Amino acid sequence: ETGVTQSPTHLIKTRGQQVTLRCSSQSGHNTVSWYQQALGQGPQFIFQYYREEENGRGNFPPRFSGLQFPNYSSELNVNALELDDSALYLCASSLDGYEKLFFGSGTQLSVL
Amino acid sequence: RKEVEQDPGPFNVPEGATVAFNCTYSNSASQSFFWYRQDCRKEPKLLMSVYSSGNEDGRFTAQLNRASQYISLLIRDSKLSDSATYLCVVKQAGTALIFGKGTTLSVSS
Repeated sequence: ETGVTQSPTHLIKTRGQQVTLRCSSQSGHNTVSWYQQALGQGPQFIFQYYREEENGRGNFPPRFSGLQFPNYSSELNVNALELDDSALYLCASSLDGYEKLFFGSGTQLSVL
Repeated sequence: RKEVEQDPGPFNVPEGATVAFNCTYSNSASQSFFWYRQDCRKEPKLLMSVYSSGNEDGRFTAQLNRASQYISLLIRDSKLSDSATYLCVVKQAGTALIFGKGTTLSVSS
């Protein structure tokens, strides 16, 4: 177990809806990264939060947004869901940046 | 051209076989290299880092060729439990991990 927990584990939404995914980082970790993994693909970097500030972003549109809270837990919000947003969303925590990521078990999002 | 390219496989091998996976990366500024293992729709887990001099961890050997921008993973004496998807991962300084699509390995008895 990595100590990184994500909720919910599975979620079904319809196109156009909004969704919030949650992640609790490992104790002592101040950095959370979010990745999207479509079926048959490798994880793709969405963004990273370090001490409550966005600290890097991948090639995702603004309808993907996030938050990090004072306890370093994090949320990923996706607005105006599209069918292609169906994927496994992975959260990873680390201490001070991009190295040594510890992944949660992910949230499987299906958009119908 | 994708930043990290892998042969998707699947590789189907019998127990005890030796199997090798290859990976190429496009950005010569890449500084760190890893192999991750991912079981079916679960989270990726770090298998091993890859160092310029090559490194070994039990049955697993990783090699890096910076001139050719090529990374390899060799698995000796394959076990049923090695069945998984193996993700090649590269990273530049101060940036996120960049994953390949993964190579699927199936080991049969």
